[in-house]
Amino acid sequence: DAGVIQSPRHEVTEMGQEVTLRCKPISGHNSLFWYRQTMMRGLELLIYFNNNVPIDDSGMPEDRFSAKMPNASFSTLKIQPSEPRDSAVYFCASRDRTGLNSPLHFGNGTRLTVT
Amino acid sequence: AQSVTQLGSHVSVSEGALVLLRCNYSSSVPPYLFWYVQYPNQGLQLLLKYTSAATLVKGINGFEAEFKKSETSFHLTKPSAHMSDAAEYFCAALQGGSEKLVFGKGTKLTVNP
Repeated sequence: DAGVIQSPRHEVTEMGQEVTLRCKPISGHNSLFWYRQTMMRGLELLIYFNNNVPIDDSGMPEDRFSAKMPNASFSTLKIQPSEPRDSAVYFCASRDRTGLNSPLHFGNGTRLTVT
Repeated sequence: AQSVTQLGSHVSVSEGALVLLRCNYSSSVPPYLFWYVQYPNQGLQLLLKYTSAATLVKGINGFEAEFKKSETSFHLTKPSAHMSDAAEYFCAALQGGSEKLVFGKGTKLTVNP
């Protein structure tokens, strides 16, 4: 089991640029979550998908943020335009919804720095 | 809405000492509860989860947690700390009927030689 795979591991970009973060969930998992981690706010849920359909995006901070899941094995989180306050570690996680209390499995994250 | 409180953002113990990390949840209906560990520059890994089958839950690396409904708590313990336990620990709750895992702010554990 390869686990949840995120790319890139690190991203440094200038303010105003478009940033795309990528995630490959664990095969067979049917729920996918995007989290953001900062020192000030901890772990925040941005959006999650069930069976590739966005269910709750209430955590997406602004219209600059968008997420897609075109198929069961791939998701993207895009920030356009990026701002310095978007600097954080972004985690993707997946789970199998079959079990009521099945845990989330996290990727190693993408550390985003916007200068 | 469900919330999770972790008392103490930093805990420091000596190697071989007891580890106690505190977690309280807010709802009157016990949620599903989890402890995760995060090592530097890595994602979160599941330590253990409460499934309502038993109030004392054993996890990996010698950790265990006890669910106490009367105290709305799910504290994490380990009898003897090891240097490799130094990491950040997160308590999380999943309310029945919801798929949104709510995390506490985390507790950073330091183990001194």
